[in-house]
Formats: sequence, structure tokens, C-alpha cells
Amino acid sequence: KAGVTQTPRYLIKTRGQQVTLSCSPISGHRSVSWYQQTPGQGLQFLFEYFSETQRNKGNFPGRFSGRQFSNSRSEMNVSTLELGDSALYLCASSFLGQRDPKRNTGELFFGEGSRLTVL
Amino acid sequence: KQEVTQIPAALSVPEGENLVLNCSFTDSAIYNLQWFRQDPGKGLTSLLLIQSSQREQTSGRLNASLDKSSGRSTLYIAASQPGDSATYLCAVAGGGADGLTFGKGTHLIIQP
Repeated sequence: KAGVTQTPRYLIKTRGQQVTLSCSPISGHRSVSWYQQTPGQGLQFLFEYFSETQRNKGNFPGRFSGRQFSNSRSEMNVSTLELGDSALYLCASSFLGQRDPKRNTGELFFGEGSRLTVL
Repeated sequence: KQEVTQIPAALSVPEGENLVLNCSFTDSAIYNLQWFRQDPGKGLTSLLLIQSSQREQTSGRLNASLDKSSGRSTLYIAASQPGDSATYLCAVAGGGADGLTFGKGTHLIIQP
């Protein structure tokens, strides 16, 4: 069973540019979440998508956006890049998402990440 | 606001020792708690998931416990091996936060 796949793995951009990252979840998983990891802030939640709808959003500016397609694949976009956006961006998939206590699920499976460097 | 703290931040032990990693969280209204390991430059690997109604979970040499009332979880690693060297992250779902709230991690080195 294939895991979570993220592309590209590495990319370098300059300030002011925009970037799009892609995530293919585990087959059958309908929830995709995105996280940003930096040495200073650690792992921070960006947003979660479930069945093409954004279900939750973290405390990030509007430059960070995402979407989910009907096949559950997700993309996130960062516009007007800043130096501080340099980070490892991690995508995680889950069968039903992390806020469904009745089903006792919610385990998240992460991809290898996309490392973004902004110069 | 949910906050997760992991102690110690770093740990170096000889191979073969049993060890305990600690995680504490401020809001006990969680859905679940998950332990991950992260190797340098890599993504996160899920180790154990404990639902809020459970007290512990075991997988091989790993055992994780959860005490919601005190806001604590421990990850016990038995008979440590050099391959266990990694950063171990604790994350909670719920507690008033959207998404998982992560601790800063424990950087573990197992000396051969």
C-alpha cells in the first residue's frame, strides 16, 4: 500500500514568487492536512481538507492556501514568498480526519515533505 | 490554547538501556495522542496512537501510556538500539486546537 506522496521534494524560490506543493494521500483516505516545520517554531498546523472542503485552518496569513480534488489529492500554494516561509512542508493523510471521536480513528500518516528554500 | 511540552529535549544513552520519554499537555480535552519519530531530513513516522478512552498502547519494544487527567503521556522504549536514534515527537488532537499540536521533540541518540 503506497504511502503519502509529496512533490516536489526540494525547491528553491526567491522572495515574491509563489509556489505550489502537491500531496497524494494514502488510497482510501479522505482527509489531508498540511503542516509547516521550522527549527524555531517546530511543527505548526496549516489546514485540513476533507472531501474537497477546508475543514480547519491554522493561524497563518492568507498567502497560504490550499485545495483538495475529488480524488483526495491536495495542493497548497504560498504566494508572495518571504524568507520566513523557508521550511519543510509536510502533508498528512487520515481515513476520517482527526476530529471524529465516535469512529476512534484519526491516526495521521505523513509524507516525506517538501523542503522549500526562499532566497 | 493547547500547549505540548516534551522532556528531555535531548537524550544520549548506551545501547541496550530502557528509556522513557515524557510528554505533557495543558488541555485534557483531547481526542487522541500520537507519538511519531522523525529521522533527519525526513517526514514523520507514526509509532503509536492512543485514543482518549485508552490508557496505553504497545507495539514491539514501544509502549505508550496516557493519563488524561494529569495531562501526561510517556513513551517507553525497551532494549534500545542504535537504529532508534531519531527525534521523537508527541502530538495531541483536540483540546481546543484545530489540527495536531506538537511538542518540540526529544532528540534521542543511542550509542553503540
